[in-house]
Amino acid sequence: GAVVSQHPSWVICKSGTSVKIECRSLDFQATTMFWYRQFPKQSLMLMATSNEGSKATYEQGVEKDKFLINHASLTLSTLTVTSAHPEDSSFYICSARESSSYNEQFFGPGTRLTVL
Amino acid sequence: EDQVTQSPEALRLQEGESSSLNCSYTVSGLRGLFWYRQDPGKGPEFLFTLYSAGEEKEKERLKATLTKKESFLHITAPKPEDSATYLCAVQGGGKLIFGQGTELSVKP
Repeated sequence: GAVVSQHPSWVICKSGTSVKIECRSLDFQATTMFWYRQFPKQSLMLMATSNEGSKATYEQGVEKDKFLINHASLTLSTLTVTSAHPEDSSFYICSARESSSYNEQFFGPGTRLTVL
Repeated sequence: EDQVTQSPEALRLQEGESSSLNCSYTVSGLRGLFWYRQDPGKGPEFLFTLYSAGEEKEKERLKATLTKKESFLHITAPKPEDSATYLCAVQGGGKLIFGQGTELSVKP
């Protein structure tokens, strides 16, 4: 149980284009989903917290107009990187928290974004 | 400010050589301490949640313990397949604060 999927697993795009990443909780309902970014040899950095049906809460320094988050259902959240630039290249990981469990987060496999 | 520090940054062991990873934390109102395993290019895999000092949890060769200031992840007789980065995180409010991780390498 507690499986989270992400799609795509990797994506390469040209500078200036937009990229959408999907995060799904496959066998549980997630009222809260989180989006992280991880650079090589570094730990996970929280970008935003997404609650189903409401606007995402962004961490300090994360541009909400650049990283658009939608959490329209209890099993799906999307992250859209708008007008991507090479410095946006990173490993993006989502996590989901079960509605019945306040604490435990389960992570997706991650999406490797490369912007040329 | 909530903070998590893991040590060592890297640890190399021979197969069968037991050791411990440390996670020191400061948090206002601990609501859980979490251990995850992360393989290269993958998302973190949940291992344990600890909630109160004195609590211990085990899974195969791994055992996690918790005090008021730190947590240990003990690895007994590790195997090469235990090689990974082990992440510790604490939850005070609604979000997790991660440490930098310990990169464990187990040589046959």
